[in-house]
Amino acid sequence: EPEVTQTPSHQVTQMGQEVILRCVPISNHLYFYWYRQILGQKVEFLVSFYNNEISEKSEIFDDQFSVERPDGSNFTLKIRSTKLEDSAMYFCASIDAGGSSYEQYFGPGTRLTVT
Amino acid sequence: GEDVEQSLFLSVREGDSSVINCTYTDSSSTYLYWYKQEPGAGLQLLTYIFSNMDMKQDQRLTVLLNKKDKHLSLRIADTQTGDSAIYFCAETPYNFNKFYFGSGTKLNVKP
Repeated sequence: EPEVTQTPSHQVTQMGQEVILRCVPISNHLYFYWYRQILGQKVEFLVSFYNNEISEKSEIFDDQFSVERPDGSNFTLKIRSTKLEDSAMYFCASIDAGGSSYEQYFGPGTRLTVT
Repeated sequence: GEDVEQSLFLSVREGDSSVINCTYTDSSSTYLYWYKQEPGAGLQLLTYIFSNMDMKQDQRLTVLLNKKDKHLSLRIADTQTGDSAIYFCAETPYNFNKFYFGSGTKLNVKP
């Protein structure tokens, strides 16, 4: 069964450093997303990406964040200068939505710890 | 923005049915999803429904949608201890640009 993969599973970084979180969405999917989940809290939408551009971003997704689809398979989230409050689980997700399936699948997540 | 509300906790006995409720505010066409999250794990898609449907059944899971009241429920028949988890409902408009998640309902299944 196809799945969304994410690397690394855990990233520890110092405050002020840049991090890149990587995702490989399901290959025939058209819509890609990043979410974050602070420990014990709800899942928060960060950004959606379709047709090689950002579709929508939340108020959390400020100038410190950027996304890229550098090739046909990877989808990355960059945080330019990490803050302590960026510590969270970051999930990537994708949807086909081009045919009859609207199932959104999530990757296993990257735990980001900012010290 | 849209608001998705869920009750925080539900406790049931093994073998009983569980009903997890969710309300949403979007008034346009929308897709509604249910996810399961076990401790330390990612989100597992359980099922989804389009807002022009009233019901969807998949094995032990039944989703009911009351579009007039913007109320969504997930019924789990014959609840097992392995069903203990946090259940999230989520809503997206027809263009899939943004997903709105509820705060999650923690289901505790007692043996």
